[in-house]
Amino acid sequence: DSGVTQTPKHLITATGQRVTLRCSPRSGDLSVYWYQQSLDQGLQFLIQYYNGEERAKGNILERFSAQQFPDLHSELNLSSLELGDSALYFCASSAPLRDEWTDTQYFGPGTRLTVL
Amino acid sequence: AQKITQTQPGMFVQEKEAVTLDCTYDTSDQSYGLFWYKQPSSGEMIFLIYQGSYDEQNATEGRYSLNFQKARKSANLVISASQLGDSAMYFCAMRGRRGNEKLTFGTGTRLTIIP
Repeated sequence: DSGVTQTPKHLITATGQRVTLRCSPRSGDLSVYWYQQSLDQGLQFLIQYYNGEERAKGNILERFSAQQFPDLHSELNLSSLELGDSALYFCASSAPLRDEWTDTQYFGPGTRLTVL
Repeated sequence: AQKITQTQPGMFVQEKEAVTLDCTYDTSDQSYGLFWYKQPSSGEMIFLIYQGSYDEQNATEGRYSLNFQKARKSANLVISASQLGDSAMYFCAMRGRRGNEKLTFGTGTRLTIIP
């Protein structure tokens, strides 16, 4: 158990709908990352938050948005869903940034999204 | 830009044998980190081992070791005395310098341990 929790574990929805994925980082971790794993794209970085602020953005679609709340949990919102959005969505967290930048990212169990 | 290359899509290894999973990388950062993760069929991503670019010794964690050759830009994972439970996908990943903390992943290697 990595200490990172994600809910729900599975999500089945229809095209055009909107869903929210939730992530709670490990105790003490300030950084939260979201990744998408799909068969055709592999593991792709979506977005990173650090202590409530957006820190880096990857290949995140405009239909997707995220935020990190004061209690450090994060939510990833996916809207106007398409068939191609079906994937495994991971949240990861790491400790506060340090000079060595060696902090390991620990992953949650993932949310498997199926868009029908 | 960072890039990770894993050239072995799949490997079959006899139980109790050692196995080496290949990983090469490319980056313009002077400071970076290299990671290996294991993804069993259940789907979770499990951190295995980390190597920093300035670490002079190869990292080891139990049966896992990382063969780090900086000049060749390779970071191969070695699993000693393989077990049936080692059957999984293995991903090599890289994280860059401060301000570039995202992980860039390779395409993975599916390892199957044969009894």
